[in-house]
Amino acid sequence: GQNIDQPTEMTATEGAIVQINCTYQTSGFNGLFWYQQHAGEAPTFLSYNVLDGLEEKGRFSSFLSRSKGYSYLLLKELQMKDSASYLCAVRLYNQGGKLIFGQGTELSVKP
Amino acid sequence: GAVVSQHPSRVICKSGTSVKIECRSLDFQATTMFWYRQFPKKSLMLMATSNEGSKATYEQGVEKDKFLINHASLTLSTLTVTSAHPEDSSFYICSAQEVGRTEAFFGQGTRLTVV
Repeated sequence: GQNIDQPTEMTATEGAIVQINCTYQTSGFNGLFWYQQHAGEAPTFLSYNVLDGLEEKGRFSSFLSRSKGYSYLLLKELQMKDSASYLCAVRLYNQGGKLIFGQGTELSVKP
Repeated sequence: GAVVSQHPSRVICKSGTSVKIECRSLDFQATTMFWYRQFPKKSLMLMATSNEGSKATYEQGVEKDKFLINHASLTLSTLTVTSAHPEDSSFYICSAQEVGRTEAFFGQGTRLTVV
């Protein structure tokens, strides 16, 4: 079966740094995605990792370790608008781009 | 680029009726589209993979006769919820992937309420 785990909720302070972890056990791996989703809206793409290491994109960075089945999303200089759900998703190998999502981490940014 | 349009954004229907949701890739061709369902405060659950010109592939536990998927062209996939019941009330989201692109792009989602 496929299993993707993330913390359910996190709270952080405006201006701070927060790390959201994701562990996965899937049958086949062809990349890991992070999406941001505000309530009632569709997910928006944040980052993609397929090789081990860190990918940096502005205030957002994502890390992947394939041997450990582990990824994290790092958000720097937190802003109030970063309050949202963050979804970790694994693309399965040879299944036409199918994504399996974790349950999402609800991040609350406090003043 | 890479815009996916989903319509309607909200729909309320009576129990027993059918509802059609459209998913269009506006500026690219998508041979494959995906349909997800999301319950409040839960993650996206893949329902089916829609392939242009062929039958959809449904995930385990998803009733194919209840959730009819048609992918008539490279830019349009439709999901029809047949004989809807209150338990079908949910947020339905489609996504499409352009050939050669890494990420999938999502439609705006459809909030279905069955009364």
